[in-house]
Amino acid sequence: NAGVMQNPRHLVRRRGQEARLRCSPMKGHSHVYWYRQLPEEGLKFMVYLQKENIIDESGMPKERFSAEFPKEGPSILRIQQVVRGDSAAYFCASSPTGQGSQPQHFGDGTRLSIL
Amino acid sequence: SQQGEEDPQALSIQEGENATMNCSYKTSINNLQWYRQNSGRGLVHLILIRSNEREKHSGRLRVTLDTSKKSSSLLITASRAADTASYFCATDAPGYSTLTFGKGTMLLVSP
Repeated sequence: NAGVMQNPRHLVRRRGQEARLRCSPMKGHSHVYWYRQLPEEGLKFMVYLQKENIIDESGMPKERFSAEFPKEGPSILRIQQVVRGDSAAYFCASSPTGQGSQPQHFGDGTRLSIL
Repeated sequence: SQQGEEDPQALSIQEGENATMNCSYKTSINNLQWYRQNSGRGLVHLILIRSNEREKHSGRLRVTLDTSKKSSSLLITASRAADTASYFCATDAPGYSTLTFGKGTMLLVSP
């Protein structure tokens, strides 16, 4: 499967635990975007990364949330000390360039549930 | 915020009918894209229209863009049950490297 791969598909955490969400972009894509989606809502941009660099993190909460895209390996979205309000679907997308004229290719998301 | 707004929020039609969804946005854009999302899945890109284009076709899809009204429409002709999904518009603005999505239209096509 050459598409965007996200894992896990479902993740359950208790309040106060850490959640790590992984995203492997499509082959040849070096630009990764993370979005959050609440039920019956559109996608809210969180962060945009290129290999080893954060390009735009304007949509990501300043506290508890962090993202990385190392030279080797998948992109990681990390949520520390999770709270009930973090329950959502988190989607990753990738593109070959950072241009808005390119479509983004999405993974099937990670559904995060906080107990 | 330049977030787009789709309307209607939900649309229910019979197979064979046409479905029209609208999207409005607030600021200048470079491009506007439409995506489909099936339940429990990620978004799939359908079509992109540039700000200097007025209409674009792809199979049963027809997209129009009116930059003076800051609006776009997506027409699906001869709909099928498999078209049942949520449809989102997304815009990218000058100086921004990211997409802004609307809240989407849920389309239900009944056999």
